Amino acid sequence: DVKVTQSSRYLVKRTGEKVFLECVQDMDHENMFWYRQDPGLGLRLIYFSYDVKMKEKGDIPEGYSVSREKKERFSLILESASTNQTSMYLCASSFPHENSPLHFGNGTRLTVT
Amino acid sequence: GQNIDQPTEMTATEGAIVQINCTYQTSGFNGLFWYQQHAGEAPTFLSYNVLDGLEEKGRFSSFLSRSKGYSYLLLKELQMKDSASYLCAVRNNNAGNMLTFGGGTRLMVKP
Repeated sequence: DVKVTQSSRYLVKRTGEKVFLECVQDMDHENMFWYRQDPGLGLRLIYFSYDVKMKEKGDIPEGYSVSREKKERFSLILESASTNQTSMYLCASSFPHENSPLHFGNGTRLTVT
Repeated sequence: GQNIDQPTEMTATEGAIVQINCTYQTSGFNGLFWYQQHAGEAPTFLSYNVLDGLEEKGRFSSFLSRSKGYSYLLLKELQMKDSASYLCAVRNNNAGNMLTFGGGTRLMVKP
C-alpha cells in the first residue's frame, strides 16, 4: 500500500512565524501536491511538483513556497504565517499517468493565532 | 477556469440507493475521479472515468457523460459506514493535467 506521511497531525503557530510542513511518500511517485481544505471551499491546490527540484504554482500559491530536494519528500513553507492560513493541509502523490489517482496523507491541521 | 458543482449535503437510509451528482464546466477535460473522505481522515480513491458510460465496482458505480459535463456516483445497499464526504475531481489537460476538486457532498446514512 502507498503510504504518504505528513510529519504533524496538529500544529499551532503564531502570526509571523515561519512554518514547515513535511510530506514523505514511499512509492517512488514522480508527482507530489499540496492542497488546503476549508469548509465550503473544498480542496484547493497550492503547489505541485512533477520531479525533483521542480515546482509549479497551483491555484492559490500566495503566501506559500515549496521545496523538493529529494523525490520522496515535498515540503510546504509558510514564510510568515497569517491567521487566514489556518486550515487543513493535505499532501498527495501519484504516478504521472493520466489515470493515476492521488494518494493522500492524513493531513496537518494548522492553527495560526 | 473550471467550475465543479456538487450538492453540499444528502441524507439516505441504510440499505437504500443514493446518487450523488457532479456537474463540471471545463476546457480540456481529461478524466474525472471520485474520492471518499471520512471525517478527520484522508480522501481515498473510489473511481475514475474518462470515457462515457458506467464503471461498476461492487456497491459503487460511477457514470460519465462528457457531452453534458455530468457525472454521478451511485451507492447501493447503503451501510452506516458509507457516511462520509464524496469528492468529485476533474483533470484538465489545459492546466498541466491538474486535478480540480468540487466542494464535496456530505452523505449521512440513517438507520
